[in-house]
Amino acid sequence: QSVLTQPPSVSAAPGQKVTISCSGSSSNIGNNYISWYQQLPGTAPKLLIFDNNKRPSGIPDRFSGSKSGTSATLGITGLQTGDEADYYCGTWDSSLSNVVFGGGTKVTVL
Amino acid sequence: EVQVVESGGGLVQPGRSLRLSCTSSGFTFGDFAMSWFRQAPGKGLEWVGFIKAKTYGGTTEYAASVKGRFTISIDDSKTVAYLQMNSLKAEDTAVYYCTRRSGTYLYDPFDIWGQGTLVTVSS
Repeated sequence: QSVLTQPPSVSAAPGQKVTISCSGSSSNIGNNYISWYQQLPGTAPKLLIFDNNKRPSGIPDRFSGSKSGTSATLGITGLQTGDEADYYCGTWDSSLSNVVFGGGTKVTVL
Repeated sequence: EVQVVESGGGLVQPGRSLRLSCTSSGFTFGDFAMSWFRQAPGKGLEWVGFIKAKTYGGTTEYAASVKGRFTISIDDSKTVAYLQMNSLKAEDTAVYYCTRRSGTYLYDPFDIWGQGTLVTVSS
């Protein structure tokens, strides 16, 4: 059971938008920045969003992040078949003294 | 090119030990904390532990599932991070990833990931 809660899967047609939620508590999301990672099939994870809403160099602006209270959201607009992947949220938990991640959300492009 | 490369995975019997290596290049190794994650077959990512750069004390933190069995260390002269795994169990079977934490804050993201190395614990 992951400390951060994500939906197991989301799906949408090409060109549409999906959002992935990440729910936590005051000891993790509520008081720390959150990051998002993309894991394409058979590959290592890649940093997608950091500090709640910043994109590393090379990440298109179709990907966005936001945070409110103890929840965070990843948005993907203009969905492409190449976006089919597992997406994870992660941050530090001050009570557990652990890095905590969500269980991952599989994005399917219909 | 900034990168980390894991090595040392393989098949090991339950109760035995294994040491993974993470060789870094393209950045000043001594400025960054290094962390290990793992991913069991068909499962999500699980944080294993991290070691702060020696500049910041070189202290370690571990997940409860591996605390007391796994140890992370670094060799600055070789720019290598190690994951020593003892008393291995079947549930430790996973792909192990080495990562770099991008900053000094505990919530800072992991911006560089290796390709992973598979550890299989089985008799």
